[in-house]
Amino acid sequence: NAGVTQTPKFRVLKTGQSMTLLCAQDMNHEYMYWYRQDPGMGLRLIHYSVGEGTTAKGEVPDGYNVSRLKKQNFLLGLESAAPSQTSVYFCASRRDLNTDTQYFGPGTRLTVL
Amino acid sequence: QQQVKQSPQSLIVQKGGISIINCAYENTAFDYFPWYQQFPGKGPALLIAIRPDVSEKKEGRFTISFNKSAKQFSLHIMDSQPGDSATYFCAAMGIQGAQKLVFGQGTRLTINP
Repeated sequence: NAGVTQTPKFRVLKTGQSMTLLCAQDMNHEYMYWYRQDPGMGLRLIHYSVGEGTTAKGEVPDGYNVSRLKKQNFLLGLESAAPSQTSVYFCASRRDLNTDTQYFGPGTRLTVL
Repeated sequence: QQQVKQSPQSLIVQKGGISIINCAYENTAFDYFPWYQQFPGKGPALLIAIRPDVSEKKEGRFTISFNKSAKQFSLHIMDSQPGDSATYFCAAMGIQGAQKLVFGQGTRLTINP
């Protein structure tokens, strides 16, 4: 099993450009999460999903949209990138409500100029 | 509002010494307290976790101490090794809603040989 994979690994955008980050998991997990990691701030939850077709806002959702059309994929979109969205983005998955462990992907480093 | 506060931000320990990282939380609805370990360029990975019904949990050289009345918990790394050099995050999760993880700010641990 590949676990949780993220595409791309690195990306540089100009202010105002859009892009989509892809997260895929092959563990048949119900829950998926998108976090951003910034120095000194830990990981902050952007959006999450508790199952195929569902999404919900996390702690810092502004400027981001998500979709979970297939159970194994969770997409994070930036419609109009801003320098404040420069960060490392991590996706995570969790089997279901009866388990606690979240499994993280390797991350995507995004720079917005 | 930071619901989980972690200290110190950085820590340097000699090989063979004890590394101690502390966290404090505010929300009494939290009932799951994991520690994640992150190496440079990688995603966080679960290291050890505890629930409030016990005051201590030990796995090898890693121990969580939990003080429910003080709303504090800590990670102790005994006989610290250079391979333990990483960033450590404490986190907390509640039993309600989608059970989202709230992370501390992170501690960069360096073990000097």
